[in-house]
Amino acid sequence: EAQVTQNPRYLITVTGKKLTVTCSQNMNHEYMSWYRQDPGLGLRQIYYSMNVEVTDKGDVPEGYKVSRKEKRNFPLILESPSPNQTSLYFCASSFGAGGSSYNEQFFGPGTRLTVL
Amino acid sequence: AQSVSQHNHHVILSEAASLELGCNYSYGGTVNLFWYVQYPGQHLQLLLKYFSGDPLVKGIKGFEAEFIKSKFSFNLRKPSVQWSDTAEYFCAVTIGGYQKVTFGTGTKLQVIP
Repeated sequence: EAQVTQNPRYLITVTGKKLTVTCSQNMNHEYMSWYRQDPGLGLRQIYYSMNVEVTDKGDVPEGYKVSRKEKRNFPLILESPSPNQTSLYFCASSFGAGGSSYNEQFFGPGTRLTVL
Repeated sequence: AQSVSQHNHHVILSEAASLELGCNYSYGGTVNLFWYVQYPGQHLQLLLKYFSGDPLVKGIKGFEAEFIKSKFSFNLRKPSVQWSDTAEYFCAVTIGGYQKVTFGTGTKLQVIP
């Protein structure tokens, strides 16, 4: 089954304790992205990756890191989480760049993160 | 930079009523437009998309949207809503050739049986 998976689905942590949220897709997509969803603010893009070893900042990259060492995986790293990073996080993937019908993004199930 | 506005934050309709959700974007060049739906407790799913051609786009579950370039709009419509359409709806835009995606703030639709 074609899908985007995220782990963990729920996480409660404390300020300053490094954490990683994993994201994996089995569709051989080149493009992957991370979003955070907050009430009243919609989805905001954190980072995206056009391909292996190619990443770029989205609208709200501060406090986050990403890496793309393999095509299928795109982990989100919070080196020193703070309470304002409490949010619902979504990973997404699509075939590639360009204005084509392949631009549809497939979303993972979400990770609800609480930073105390 | 592109931006997306969804002016209706919360819409309440009775079943069988017609729906129109507004979406306006700000970018003067070629854009790709999307509507996604998020049912309670679930992830986002694509409803429909516009890349080129016929400005009236039909999606899943009876939804459609019309791209009006002169108005920078991509409004979502459905002639008769059902209780199962209760969800949050997001408009999104990408600039042709780039993968930076901008979402609107979303519209929560509540359909009353």
